[in-house]
Amino acid sequence: DTGVSQDPRHKITKRGQNVTFRCDPISEHNRLYWYRQTLGQGPEFLTYFQNEAQLEKSRLLSDRFSAERPKGSFSTLEIQRTEQGDSAMYLCASRLGGSSYNEQFFGPGTRLTVL
Amino acid sequence: QQPVQSPQAVILREGEDAVINCSSSKALYSVHWYRQKHGEAPVFLMILLKGGEQKGHEKISASFNEKKQQSSLYLTASQLSYSGTYFCGTEYTGNQFYFGTGTSLTVIP
Repeated sequence: DTGVSQDPRHKITKRGQNVTFRCDPISEHNRLYWYRQTLGQGPEFLTYFQNEAQLEKSRLLSDRFSAERPKGSFSTLEIQRTEQGDSAMYLCASRLGGSSYNEQFFGPGTRLTVL
Repeated sequence: QQPVQSPQAVILREGEDAVINCSSSKALYSVHWYRQKHGEAPVFLMILLKGGEQKGHEKISASFNEKKQQSSLYLTASQLSYSGTYFCGTEYTGNQFYFGTGTSLTVIP
């Protein structure tokens, strides 16, 4: 257990539905990342928060995806009008700021299946 | 921009050594190494920074050649628990983090 939690762990939804995932980072970590990982591939960067500010967003992220981190604590990732291609593991990671010397701590992930 | 790793896969017997390489087409400021077991999240192994600083587990070593934009992870006297997929990762500019293509390592008795 890294101290980063994600909820739900599994989500099955029908195409066209909206889904929302939650990530609770380690409390003192001001940096938070979201990644998407498909089978056999490495984690693919989606977006990055420093405190409550969303500072980076992947160009691959369609406008159906949105993320928030109110008050710089937990974060949510929402996917609207899900497509079968959205099926993947969604990983959240938190990291202590102030140095490039700090590692990311990953949550257990949310596995999304879009039928 | 994704770092390229080699080999893609390797099978070892317990006690054997392995080297995993990570190459980038762009200048690297730092390299992170993570291991991921099937169905689990990546776990931190090591960070290497330009200038020689590094932080990581005692039983794992790595090198970082800034001029060649490469890093190598050295696994010695492998154990069954070393099995998994190894990823290097880096931040080029800004705050986007790129993971490498991955190396699957299997240690057999």
